[in-house]
Amino acid sequence: AQSVTQLDSQVPVFEEAPVELRCNYSSSVSVYLFWYVQYPNQGLQLLLKYLSGSTLVKGINGFEAEFNKSQTSFHLRKPSVHISDTAEYFCAVSKATDSWGKLQFGAGTQVVVTP
Amino acid sequence: GAVVSQHPSWVICKSGTSVKIECRSLDFQATTMFWYRQFPKQSLMLMATSNEGSKATYEQGVEKDKFLINHASLTLSTLTVTSAHPEDSSFYICSAKRGRASYNEQFFGPGTRLTVL
Repeated sequence: AQSVTQLDSQVPVFEEAPVELRCNYSSSVSVYLFWYVQYPNQGLQLLLKYLSGSTLVKGINGFEAEFNKSQTSFHLRKPSVHISDTAEYFCAVSKATDSWGKLQFGAGTQVVVTP
Repeated sequence: GAVVSQHPSWVICKSGTSVKIECRSLDFQATTMFWYRQFPKQSLMLMATSNEGSKATYEQGVEKDKFLINHASLTLSTLTVTSAHPEDSSFYICSAKRGRASYNEQFFGPGTRLTVL
């Protein structure tokens, strides 16, 4: 069985400060890792994904994430947030062996950026 | 970009009635579509996976006779909640994936809020 744990349900952060959202996973097989963002009243949007290769992945809107196999983590970071980054962030995994690419999501982290 | 729409965006129905939710990929052909359910302040739970022209595969614990999924074409999938009850009230989200690679991006619809009275 696999699981995805997002350690923080809510992260308050000041504008222009850095933010890190934590994600840990467990799986008996190799996985692909994803970060999605959900803005109010919008569909989830892919920020970035890790399939293989370099463990540091850069995504859209200045976000990046680092895959750490030994710690089974895939933490998301942004060096300087904007008010517009206020949203719900979801970490997700899919088994590399799953031909359909079904996603399992973490519980989500609400990021609230204040001036 | 790839756009996925859902209709309706919200629906209120009486207990015992059926509700159909449409999911369309507007500018691409989706080889696979997924249906999720999201409870307030909680994550998305995968309900079922469907490929065009074949029967949907349901996740464990999801009643296939209650949640009927039809994937009629490469751009349209429908979810019908049959004999809805208040406990079926939730936010239903679909996603669509193009191409055969398992790691291809899923594009998500904006969701449908279902309230059963």
